[in-house]
Amino acid sequence: GDSVTQMEGPVTLSEEAFLTINCTYTATGYPSLFWYVQYPGEGLQLLLKATKADDKGSNKGFEATYRKETTSFHLEKGSVQVSDSAVYFCALSPPGANSKLTFGKGITLSVRP
Amino acid sequence: AAGVIQSPRHLIKEKRETATLKCYPIPRHDTVYWYQQGPGQDPQFLISFYEKMQSDKGSIPDRFSAQQFSDYHSELNMSSLELGDSALYFCASSSFPGENTGELFFGEGSRLTVL
Repeated sequence: GDSVTQMEGPVTLSEEAFLTINCTYTATGYPSLFWYVQYPGEGLQLLLKATKADDKGSNKGFEATYRKETTSFHLEKGSVQVSDSAVYFCALSPPGANSKLTFGKGITLSVRP
Repeated sequence: AAGVIQSPRHLIKEKRETATLKCYPIPRHDTVYWYQQGPGQDPQFLISFYEKMQSDKGSIPDRFSAQQFSDYHSELNMSSLELGDSALYFCASSSFPGENTGELFFGEGSRLTVL
């Protein structure tokens, strides 16, 4: 079945450091790919998405490119801020499904001032 | 802007008791999804409803049932609670189930603790 694998966490960075969070997936066909973020005490929020190969999703300085050849959707940010501290989930939605999401296990990012 | 409202936010029950969680979707959203997130786990899809009909079913135990009402709110009923049911239960809503956008809008979750 479909699955999403995220790198092991947690990740602790200093402010203004470069961030990469790896995500790979297994799915049939061409799923849509997403990054969701969960800030402390809040629900899951869509951060960015890509619906086809080579698409780049971007939002709030975060970027991720849909790589079909490596089945990856790595999240990057050039300069993290303390306010980026949160849990980040990679997710996929198979084609033709009713937008049901399959999540990775999430990774906690802590940014130090 | 109005978001997805879940209640209660926290719930403590004994084993073998029953619990009901409620979800109020964003206005004009007609699709509701339920997810269960155990400690240190990723959210697992339980069930979804579109226009008051079940649209998809995931790893929902037979002890659980859910429905969507005429005002589009949804309730998740859990009976014969077990220790392993302790988890954060998320509800999400979206405006149309057929588009593969994945833009689900999540509530803040209901944390169930079974003692």
